[in-house]
Amino acid sequence: NAGVTQTPKFHILKIGQSMTLQCTQDMNHNYMYWYRQDPGMGLKLIYYSVGAGITDKGEVPNGYNVSRSTTEDFPLRLELAAPSQTSVYFCASSWRTGGTDTQYFGPGTRLTVL
Amino acid sequence: AQSVTQPDIHITVSEGASLELRCNYSYGATPYLFWYVQSPGQGLQLLLKYFSGDTLVQGIKGFEAEFKRSQSSFNLRKPSVHWSDAAEYFCAVGGNQGGKLIFGQGTELSVKP
Repeated sequence: NAGVTQTPKFHILKIGQSMTLQCTQDMNHNYMYWYRQDPGMGLKLIYYSVGAGITDKGEVPNGYNVSRSTTEDFPLRLELAAPSQTSVYFCASSWRTGGTDTQYFGPGTRLTVL
Repeated sequence: AQSVTQPDIHITVSEGASLELRCNYSYGATPYLFWYVQSPGQGLQLLLKYFSGDTLVQGIKGFEAEFKRSQSSFNLRKPSVHWSDAAEYFCAVGGNQGGKLIFGQGTELSVKP
C-alpha cells in the first residue's frame, strides 16, 4: 500500500512552458486535493475532486487545470508557467470530505520556474 | 470568515522540555480541528484530530491537544520533547461548511540538545 505518490520530486521549468504533475493514490479514496505550499503561508488549496469526473476550484486555481478520469489519478496541469508558480506542490486524498476527514499527503513536488 | 492563526512562526525548545504550540481558529459552524506535522522534505502527517466529545485528545508520538471552545483555541502540547520532534507543525480547521480544510501558517519547531 503505497498511499499517495507524486512525480516528479523536483523539476525546473522555463517561463512559458507547460507541465503536468502526477498524483496517484491506492486507497480508493473519493476525495483528492492539490495544494501549494509557500514559505510562511501554510497550504493553499488549488483544486479538488470529489470523485471521478468531478472537479472544483479551490482558493488559488489561476494558472492551473486538473482532470479526474479515474479514482486513482488526479494530475495537475500548469499552462504557461510563471515565476509565481515556483512552489512545493502537495497532492492529498481522503475517504470523506476533506473538511471532516483525515487527509493523506504525498511527498510533494518542488517546482522552480525560471 | 474561516481562518486559522498560529501566532508563533518559530519556536526553539531544549530536548526534554515541555512544548505548547498555539492555534486559534475562526469557523462559522462546528469545527473539525487537526494538527499535522511536516518533517523536512516530507509530506504532512496527521498527529491528531478533534471532532466531538472529550476536549483533550491524544495523538501519535506522545502529543495531545485541548479544544477550548470559549477561546477558539486548539493548542498542541507534549510533556517532553525529543530531538526527532524538530519539524513544522500545522493546525487546520474544517467542517461541513464548504467541506475544505483551512491551514494555519505553520510553526517551525527547533530542538536544542
